[in-house]
Amino acid sequence: EAGVAQSPRYKIIEKRQSVAFWCNPISGHATLYWYQQILGQGPKLLIQFQNNGVVDDSQLPKDRFSAERLKGVDSTLKIQPAKLEDSAVYLCASSYTNTGELFFGEGSRLTVL
Amino acid sequence: QQPVQSPQAVILREGEDAVINCSSSKALYSVHWYRQKHGEAPVFLMILLKGGEQKGHEKISASFNEKKQQSSLYLTASQLSYSGTYFCGTEISGGGADGLTFGKGTHLIIQP
Repeated sequence: EAGVAQSPRYKIIEKRQSVAFWCNPISGHATLYWYQQILGQGPKLLIQFQNNGVVDDSQLPKDRFSAERLKGVDSTLKIQPAKLEDSAVYLCASSYTNTGELFFGEGSRLTVL
Repeated sequence: QQPVQSPQAVILREGEDAVINCSSSKALYSVHWYRQKHGEAPVFLMILLKGGEQKGHEKISASFNEKKQQSSLYLTASQLSYSGTYFCGTEISGGGADGLTFGKGTHLIIQP
């Protein structure tokens, strides 16, 4: 079974530039999550989707971050404009139900200079 | 509210035991445990639901004390492969309505 796919794996940008990350969850997984993991800390939930709909985006900085999940499958997370403090690994995870095991992708490491 | 994990770091010899704790100030519906090796994605270990159940996975087991809102992860006769950072993730509402809130992690180093 294929795992959660993410791209790009690494991205370096200057502050005030924009960036987009893509995630393809495990087939059949209805729930998709984006987490931000700053070095040395635990993952922080940014947004949770159930199929097409947003379940929780309370911790998403909506002035600069946006996310969408088209057709209930792939998802894109965008940051515009980026700040230095956005440097982190962005992890995408999916689960078959919204109460079960999370399967994480390898993450997209963002460095903002 | 982020759960508090303790200790922050543990260094063990192969074959020794370890306990990692996870505490919350809020009533919990469930506690999830994950292990993350350097540069890799977190990997699921187990879920514990309120009710004080205890679960086991090979030589790794965990308990959930609902009265104390605390979960403990037990690693018995540790192996080199157990090295990594252990995170607990807590869920308050149940039904997946609020996602998981992870602690800052406990770094476990197993030496030969």
